Amino acid sequence: RKEVEQDPGPFNVPEGATVAFNCTYSNSASQSFFWYRQDCRKEPKLLMSVYSSGNEDGRFTAQLNRASQYISLLIRDSKLSDSATYLCAVNPGTASKLTFGTGTRLQVTL
Amino acid sequence: DGGITQSPKYLFRKEGQNVTLSCEQNLNHDAMYWYRQDPGQGLRLIYYSQIVNDFQKGDIAEGYSVSREKKESFPLTVTSAQKNPTAFYLCATDGGRAFFGQGTRLTVV
Repeated sequence: RKEVEQDPGPFNVPEGATVAFNCTYSNSASQSFFWYRQDCRKEPKLLMSVYSSGNEDGRFTAQLNRASQYISLLIRDSKLSDSATYLCAVNPGTASKLTFGTGTRLQVTL
Repeated sequence: DGGITQSPKYLFRKEGQNVTLSCEQNLNHDAMYWYRQDPGQGLRLIYYSQIVNDFQKGDIAEGYSVSREKKESFPLTVTSAQKNPTAFYLCATDGGRAFFGQGTRLTVV
């Protein structure tokens, strides 16, 4: 089983739709979780950290489910500009390597 | 201005040639990483270093080498043993979350 797994997509959604991505992780001791956004031919950029209680930033909501070992990203009211690849990242803890999922591609259309 | 600087942005390599990609950071982070990304694919870990003078192989280390003589620097050498080096290479540091350089796009000619 891969350390971090994501559905590669693509997810094709119309503008204004709500879309959700999940990311599962195998190490139950993992401590830090993140969502990154990557535009074509660019470096990934941090979208948001994921906190145990869940957190929201505008149209974006991140959740952590430790029991089932997954994190999720919900995007409400999708915009054309949300089209990108969304990568999850998991850090098992001190002196461990940050591990990325392969990314989920989102395409928002008119 | 703090951050991670990768150079060059574009690099062309001839068959059988070794090339070195530079990664410099002034964030004072201990951990540094090299990833490879192929078109339409995710990030694959090549090497990582948690501390100066120490580094570990990632998932696809064959054909690559690194050094970590200074905290600020983590250069990656793509050797002639790497048969398919054309890819986008990303350097990152870990300061609680990953910070990325702008990447080097390597092409074999």
